[in-house]
Amino acid sequence: DAGVTQSPTHLIKTRGQQVTLRCSPKSGHDTVSWYQQALGQGPQFIFQYYEEEERQRGNFPDRFSGHQFPNYSSELNVNALLLGDSALYLCASSSTLRTGGNSPLHFGNGTRLTVT
Amino acid sequence: QKEVEQDPGPLSVPEGAIVSLNCTYSNSAFQYFMWYRQYSRKGPELLMYTYSSGNKEDGRFTAQVDKSSKYISLFIRDSQPSDSATYLCAMTSNAGGTSYGKLTFGQGTILTVHP
Repeated sequence: DAGVTQSPTHLIKTRGQQVTLRCSPKSGHDTVSWYQQALGQGPQFIFQYYEEEERQRGNFPDRFSGHQFPNYSSELNVNALLLGDSALYLCASSSTLRTGGNSPLHFGNGTRLTVT
Repeated sequence: QKEVEQDPGPLSVPEGAIVSLNCTYSNSAFQYFMWYRQYSRKGPELLMYTYSSGNKEDGRFTAQVDKSSKYISLFIRDSQPSDSATYLCAMTSNAGGTSYGKLTFGQGTILTVHP
């Protein structure tokens, strides 16, 4: 049973560029959440997708956008990259339809983004 | 002031010691409390989750929640070198619907258990 998978594992981009990160949720999960974890900090909630719609959003600018596909996989897009966007980006999946939302998050191992 | 405060440590203990990890929070709406373990270069792994106040035990791990004091703890008994990791507390206000996805995390405590 595959867990949450993220790609790529590492990425180096230049300031001002755009980046797309990908996530496949754990089998049986239908909800995907994205988090940003800066070095030495806890993860910060970016947004959550369920039924292909953004359901909740944290305190992140519009440069951060996402998408969820019919197979429940998800993408995180970041435009106009800043040096401060360098972080570990974590995807987490859970089950909403089956559990009514009482489903703990399962995290992937993240994509480490470096902006130079 | 951050909603969730966690002492970043680092904490270094000998093998076999009892470890106590703590978080305080300011948002009284938080009802669901979790502890995650994160090894280097890995994603967080769920260890324990509890609802409201009380204790929960799972093997060597015990989670305690005191909502009146806005204080949660994780105890690790008979600590092992394999317990060396960053421990993150997390919490959310309402697990209904999809809100379980919006967790607020502490900064994380770095724990090293030496043989």
